[in-house]
Amino acid sequence: AQTIHQWPVAEIKAVGSPLSLGCTIKGKSSPNLYWYWQATGGTLQQLFYSITVGQVESVVQLNLSASRPKDDQFILSTEKLLLSHSGFYLCAWSLDWSSYEQYFGPGTRLTVL
Amino acid sequence: QQKVQQSPESLTVSEGAMASLNCTFSDGTSNNFRWYRQHSAKGLEVLVSIFSDGEKEEGRFTAHLNRANLHVSLHIREPQPSDSAVYLCAYSNNRIFFGDGTQLVVKP
Repeated sequence: AQTIHQWPVAEIKAVGSPLSLGCTIKGKSSPNLYWYWQATGGTLQQLFYSITVGQVESVVQLNLSASRPKDDQFILSTEKLLLSHSGFYLCAWSLDWSSYEQYFGPGTRLTVL
Repeated sequence: QQKVQQSPESLTVSEGAMASLNCTFSDGTSNNFRWYRQHSAKGLEVLVSIFSDGEKEEGRFTAHLNRANLHVSLHIREPQPSDSAVYLCAYSNNRIFFGDGTQLVVKP
């Protein structure tokens, strides 16, 4: 069975500080990977997707970056956090680029102060 | 432009009474629609996926799709307090577009 793990569960950070959020998928080789963000009370938005190792495409510009250093790992990061980065970050995976059958992780709650 | 509109924003029902949620979308070419549930900033739980006009039932959850009217609904039969959550509608056409959600509260 496939499992998806996100870390940390929650993070409180200062404006201007760096950020790194992680996501790993076990039990599935070469998954398509996605990052989503949801501002408090806002709409869930797709930020990035990756079809293969080393390749990441941006969907929405939020002064964030993503990387896929390993087949089963997806990292979301920034060198300088903004207040507007606060929210809930979800990682997801899918079997193929039809992208509909996506499976979501438990999420990371980020609070920027 | 908001591609997915959900209504109502919030809904309170009594335990056992039917709960009905609505979703209208702007893209009539998609044939992939899904209802998710999100408990208090946790991951998304898939409730029902529907790919053609008509009705699709998954346990107590029934989705109705009418692509001509750009509308998909979710009906929850015999809701329980544990069903209290945010319900998200989404459709896909290479990307997934989510609505803002409906906050459902089920009172005992």
